[in-house]
Amino acid sequence: ETGVTQSPTHLIKTRGQQVTLRCSSQSGHNTVSWYQQALGQGPQFIFQYYREEENGRGNFPPRFSGLQFPNYSSELNVNALELDDSALYLCASSLDGGLAKNIQYFGAGTRLSVL
Amino acid sequence: TQLLEQSPQFLSIQEGENLTVYCNSSSVFSSLQWYRQEPGEGPVLLVTVVTGGEVKKLKRLTFQFGDARKDSSLHITAAQTGDTGLYLCAGADRDDKIIFGKGTRLHILP
Repeated sequence: ETGVTQSPTHLIKTRGQQVTLRCSSQSGHNTVSWYQQALGQGPQFIFQYYREEENGRGNFPPRFSGLQFPNYSSELNVNALELDDSALYLCASSLDGGLAKNIQYFGAGTRLSVL
Repeated sequence: TQLLEQSPQFLSIQEGENLTVYCNSSSVFSSLQWYRQEPGEGPVLLVTVVTGGEVKKLKRLTFQFGDARKDSSLHITAAQTGDTGLYLCAGADRDDKIIFGKGTRLHILP
């Protein structure tokens, strides 16, 4: 158990719809990162939030957006869903500062299927 | 773009055998992490290596960070069926964001 929880565990949407995925960080962790993991691939960095501000972004279009709340929980929103958005979406929390920020604790992920 | 390349992509061996998987890059990393991921789960951190040449042991697993901090290896002694999973290496890039390799999918046969 990493203390990071994600909801829902599975989700089915159709092309063009919008989706919101949620993450509750490990207690005391103020940094959250979101990743997309396609089948058979390693996780791809989407973005990171630190103290409610976006703190870096990977190569994902603006229709991928996020929020971090004062209690450090987080959301990932994806608009205008495309078939290629089907993947496992992972949330990871960490502490800031020094080596600790590179040590991430992952949730079990949300499996999104876009039909 | 900094990349982490893992090899082999797939490995299937008999229980009791030894194996080594590799994580290579042309770039220097301040640290590298190794994760293990099982189907339907998120990656779980196994170890972090920081110093060039560092060796860390976790029971039957031995992790080594290259002297130049550009590569790492994971050696498993006397593999067990419970070692089956996807092994991922990860490191922080120049912008301090974590990048992952594509992983080595390990299958240990009984």
